[in-house]
Formats: sequence, C-alpha cells, structure tokens
Amino acid sequence: SQKIEQNSEALNIQEGKTATLTCNYTNYSPAYLQWYRQDPGRGPVFLLLIRENEKEKRKERLKVTFDTTLKQSLFHITASQPADSATYLCALNSNSGYALNFGKGTSLLVTP
Amino acid sequence: SAVISQKPSRDICQRGTSLTIQCQVDSQVTMMFWYRQQPGQSLTLIATANQGSEATYESGFVIDKFPISRPNLTFSTLTVSNMSPEDSSIYLCSAWTSGRNIQYFGAGTRLSVL
Repeated sequence: SQKIEQNSEALNIQEGKTATLTCNYTNYSPAYLQWYRQDPGRGPVFLLLIRENEKEKRKERLKVTFDTTLKQSLFHITASQPADSATYLCALNSNSGYALNFGKGTSLLVTP
Repeated sequence: SAVISQKPSRDICQRGTSLTIQCQVDSQVTMMFWYRQQPGQSLTLIATANQGSEATYESGFVIDKFPISRPNLTFSTLTVSNMSPEDSSIYLCSAWTSGRNIQYFGAGTRLSVL
C-alpha cells in the first residue's frame, strides 16, 4: 500500500540553527511533491512544490530536495526563528492525480 | 491564490443528528476536496466534490454518510449524517486550480459528537 512517512517525533531546535525534516514514501511514482505548514486550529498552507525532475528547490530560507531513487524528500529551514514553529506536512498527488495524500507531519519547535 | 471560508468553525452535536458544513471560495476553482483530520493524524481525503455531478468518494467513505454538493464553481457542502462520537474530527475543505498544482485550504470545522 502507499505510505508517506514523516518523523513522528517533534523536532526541537535552537533559534538560528537549520531545521531538517524528512519525508519518505513507498509505492508512489509522484510527478511532484509538496510541503505544507499547519498551525494549530488552521488549515494547511502551501510552502513549496518540487517536481520529479528537480533535485532541489529554494524559497527564501526554505530548501527542499527530492530524491526519487531513495524515495525521499528533505525540507530545510535555515536561520530558524520561533515563528517557524508549526507542523510541517509532506504531500504527494493521489492516484486520482489532483487530490493529495499527506504524511502525519512533523512538529517543529524553535526556541529562542 | 484562493481564499476559502468554512462555516461553522466548530460545533458540538448530539449522536444521531446531522451537520452540514459549508465551503465558499472567493474565486472560481477547478476542483474542490473534502478532508478529515483526526487528532494527531494526517489529513485523509474523503471525496472530490464535482461540479454538477455526484462526488467521487475514497475507499471507506460513502455517500449516505457524507453527502456532498457542489452547485457551482465556488461553493460546496459536506454533510456528516447520523453522527456518532467516532465522527469527531476536523473537516477541511480545499480548492485546486489547474495550472498551479497547489491546494488552498479552509481553516477547518472542528466537530465534536457527544
């Protein structure tokens, strides 16, 4: 069956450090992979999309890598800030093509 | 981008009753989806709301339990029917527009069934 696995343990880091979150998947051949941010009581908010033919994508302090051989994506936040504290979700397009399947998310806490 | 409004934001309901959740998008979108997020769990796709036709349900979800309407390109409703405590969850609406491959989400409806 299809699975999307994210580190279920919360990630605690100090302000200014780089946070690295992992997303592994099985039984998918995704055309693209997405990362979303979710704050308590809110819906997910889109951050970055990376296509299968792209190795890396950057947006400001965010960087995503995509290794289709390893079936893994890494999500980096450099120079992290307390405001980056949230749950980060990895998502892949479903078999229907347009809807998304999500991982459980990794909770990030950045402390001053 | 698309801004999505969901109503109600939360509700407490009695077992056996039904609740209809509304989702309004501020622009026309190609597709709308309904997800459920149980505490500590991932988002699970319930169905795709198709404009002018019956919704497409994922495995484990049926129309009798979760009837969905989508009368136009900016509005959809999800009804949770004959509720039980197991239906307590957050229900999220999302919208997708062709060409961008991004989904925009509402803030969700937090449902508690007693």
